[in-house]
Amino acid sequence: QKEVEQNSGPLSVPEGAIASLNCTYSDRGSQSFFWYRQYSGKSPELIMFIYSNGDKEDGRFTAQLNKASQYVSLLIRDSQPSDSATYLCAVDITGANSKLTFGKGITLSVRP
Amino acid sequence: GAGVSQTPSNKVTEKGKYVELRCDPISGHTALYWYRQSLGQGPEFLIYFQGTGAADDSGLPNDRFFAVRPEGSVSTLKIQRTERGDSAVYLCASSHNPSDYSNTGELFFGEGSRLTVL
Repeated sequence: QKEVEQNSGPLSVPEGAIASLNCTYSDRGSQSFFWYRQYSGKSPELIMFIYSNGDKEDGRFTAQLNKASQYVSLLIRDSQPSDSATYLCAVDITGANSKLTFGKGITLSVRP
Repeated sequence: GAGVSQTPSNKVTEKGKYVELRCDPISGHTALYWYRQSLGQGPEFLIYFQGTGAADDSGLPNDRFFAVRPEGSVSTLKIQRTERGDSAVYLCASSHNPSDYSNTGELFFGEGSRLTVL
């Protein structure tokens, strides 16, 4: 089992819809969870981080963490064409902020 | 500099050759990371420096790969006897000291060095 798994995608949603991106992880001791966005040909950039169970909201983005189920998700409300990118789930399994394990990413396409 | 700078942006080499990839982190960032990203995959951890020392090199695939950070700033990733399977984008990232309580853990990535081994 891979350490960090994401739905293979791609995911296509119409403009204005909610996009739901899911990620599961295998190491129960993982402490920190991150969502990075990567535009084609560009480097990853951080969108959200979450440490505690529950929801964390930042603008149109909500990260959800459930440590019991080893599940972290990202919701994008009012999706825009500019949200079209690959979204990478990353987990710090060391607990020391020293090494992230990434999923393979899911490509989101927002249709105008 | 304003961001993480990586050179070269593109490198084409022949199988068996030696390559060096350079990373200049954000000023003041003590932590530096090298990742490798193959097409359609997420970044794969290679090595992490805290200051001048390699704190975790568990991701280096074999002894053909080596990285240094002699003065705690610029880092060089060195690949000997390159193989076609080494072809990928090599990403460098930096961050504040991971043990700093205010550090969110965010990694700031450079634009990467695309390596193609023919």
